[in-house]
Amino acid sequence: KAGVTQTPRYLIKTRGQQVTLSCSPISGHRSVSWYQQTPGQGLQFLFEYFSETQRNKGNFPGRFSGRQFSNSRSEMNVSTLELGDSALYLCASTSTPAYGYTFGSGTRLTVV
Amino acid sequence: GENVEQHPSTLSVQEGDSAVIKCTYSDSASNYFPWYKQELGKRPQLIIDIRSNVGEKKDQRIAVTLNKTAKHFSLHITETQPEDSAVYFCAATKAAGNKLTFGGGTRVLVKP
Repeated sequence: KAGVTQTPRYLIKTRGQQVTLSCSPISGHRSVSWYQQTPGQGLQFLFEYFSETQRNKGNFPGRFSGRQFSNSRSEMNVSTLELGDSALYLCASTSTPAYGYTFGSGTRLTVV
Repeated sequence: GENVEQHPSTLSVQEGDSAVIKCTYSDSASNYFPWYKQELGKRPQLIIDIRSNVGEKKDQRIAVTLNKTAKHFSLHITETQPEDSAVYFCAATKAAGNKLTFGGGTRVLVKP
């Protein structure tokens, strides 16, 4: 079966712009979570959605937001981009109970 | 919140030798501990996981041990091969929608 699909794979944006990233989970998986990966901070949790509801949120500013649609696809949005937002953004999906998270290939965001 | 520490940060081994990576966690309520392997430019891939009701789990050359009392868990790779070279991440969670808290990663280099 198809894995977790993230689009786009690469993005270059300018400071101050906003960006939307998309994640399609494995079919049947209703939980989608997002992570930011940087060399300095490692893998950090952004938020998790289940059945269109945000169940958990990490310690990121309000510029980072997300949502989940009825088909379990999820989007995350970053507004007013800063240079420090440059990172690999990964999403992971899992069924319930939430074991065996499967990651997508990520979206590499570069802010210039 | 949960805090996961991972050691060592880099590990160089000769092909055929064993590699051991250790992680400690802080939240005694955590009950699910996955390990991910991330090759350069690729997504993290789940290689093995263990739940808190189990002390050890093995899958071919890979094994994970868990000591709930001491709150630490370890990854053991035997008979290492060059294709084992990658960054390995441990993680801990209370599952059911909670975030994965990752260790800082271990860069493993297997020298032929």
